[in-house]
Amino acid sequence: DGGITQSPKYLFRKEGQNVTLSCEQNLNHDAMYWYRQDPGQGLRLIYYSQIVNDFQKGDIAEGYSVSREKKESFPLTVTSAQKNPTAFYLCASSYPPWTGRDEAFFGQGTRLTVV
Amino acid sequence: DAKTTQPPSMDCAEGRAANLPCNHSTISGNEYVYWYRQIHSQGPQYIIHGLKNNETNEMASLIITEDRKSSTLILPHATLRDTAVYYCIVRVRTSGTYKYIFGTGTRLKVLA
Repeated sequence: DGGITQSPKYLFRKEGQNVTLSCEQNLNHDAMYWYRQDPGQGLRLIYYSQIVNDFQKGDIAEGYSVSREKKESFPLTVTSAQKNPTAFYLCASSYPPWTGRDEAFFGQGTRLTVV
Repeated sequence: DAKTTQPPSMDCAEGRAANLPCNHSTISGNEYVYWYRQIHSQGPQYIIHGLKNNETNEMASLIITEDRKSSTLILPHATLRDTAVYYCIVRVRTSGTYKYIFGTGTRLKVLA
């Protein structure tokens, strides 16, 4: 089955450590996204990537980094510079605009807790 | 970027229609309105989208006002499994791809 997979589902880290969240898709989508969700809040865009080896900052990119070395993969690193890293992180992917295929597909999320 | 405004919560009786409103008064002419829903601690699920015409699919109907400043998602016969947070989203074209701008959502509770 095609889909978008985030791992792990739950992640615990000590304060000051960098941590990398995995996002893999086999939908052959070009665009991929990372969102952050805090309790009772909507989703806020961290980074997005239109194509391999290219990515742009979203609204809250400070303290995060990404890479896009393969079309299928868009890992997110939460660095020690992120002041409040504890949150629910969601990855999404979509077809490029010229395909006429419209919706974004979301993974099931990774809940990161920093202690 | 266009923003959306939704009521924080709504209740609906099981079997009745649920009408969820959304304001997007700053939306631009080529920006689509999307609706997703999120059941607790899962990834958001696509429901429906539209530009200016009303849309219907097997899950819901989307009514967009003529001036495009607001829309309403209609779940025609709500069930208990429709209890979720519903997000009204504007899709913005940028740098050759899209950004999906989420609001804070409406928590819909379907009551037995």
